[in-house]
Amino acid sequence: EDQVTQSPEALRLQEGESSSLNCSYTVSGLRGLFWYRQDPGKGPEFLFTLYSAGEEKEKERLKATLTKKESFLHITAPKPEDSATYLCAVLTSNTGKLIFGQGTTLQVKP
Amino acid sequence: KAGVTQTPRYLIKTRGQQVTLSCSPISGHRSVSWYQQTPGQGLQFLFEYFSETQRNKGNFPGRFSGRQFSNSRSEMNVSTLELGDSALYLCASSLSGQSDIRGYTFGSGTRLTVV
Repeated sequence: EDQVTQSPEALRLQEGESSSLNCSYTVSGLRGLFWYRQDPGKGPEFLFTLYSAGEEKEKERLKATLTKKESFLHITAPKPEDSATYLCAVLTSNTGKLIFGQGTTLQVKP
Repeated sequence: KAGVTQTPRYLIKTRGQQVTLSCSPISGHRSVSWYQQTPGQGLQFLFEYFSETQRNKGNFPGRFSGRQFSNSRSEMNVSTLELGDSALYLCASSLSGQSDIRGYTFGSGTRLTVV
């Protein structure tokens, strides 16, 4: 069964304390892996798409990487405004379905 | 360009009632997908419409239905509301649908509370 698991569920960091969020997936074929950011009471906002193992994408303090079994979202020197829930989603190649993980809620304290 | 517009933003309904939510996708996008988001279950796929046809459906009871109009605007309807239907309902717009590798653009959602 296709599955996407994110860890940890919640993460509390001090401002400037770098860390990584994990998205592991078990799918029969990967067409793409997406990262979204969601602020409370709002819809998810697209961050990155990764297509193949070894690929990396960066945006400001965020860097997403992809291996054959998982993706990491690295947050370097986070600021309080980076506080949000980060969602990972996998697009499967055989069914064409988009499967979301449960998300990691990040809180960055000043 | 205008984003995905969902109306209303908030809704309070009583058990047993029915509700209709609306979504206007980004101009030019022909696909609209609906998701239910709850703290316990995360984002659960409801259905996807493309050019007025339902193309995919998730594992939700028949009380959940939807439609898409010729201008790509979509509505979803929930009949005989239950307490467990309380959730954030999200609409996502894309050019070609769930399998679009360019990803979705989400609306801000409709927060439905059933009392």
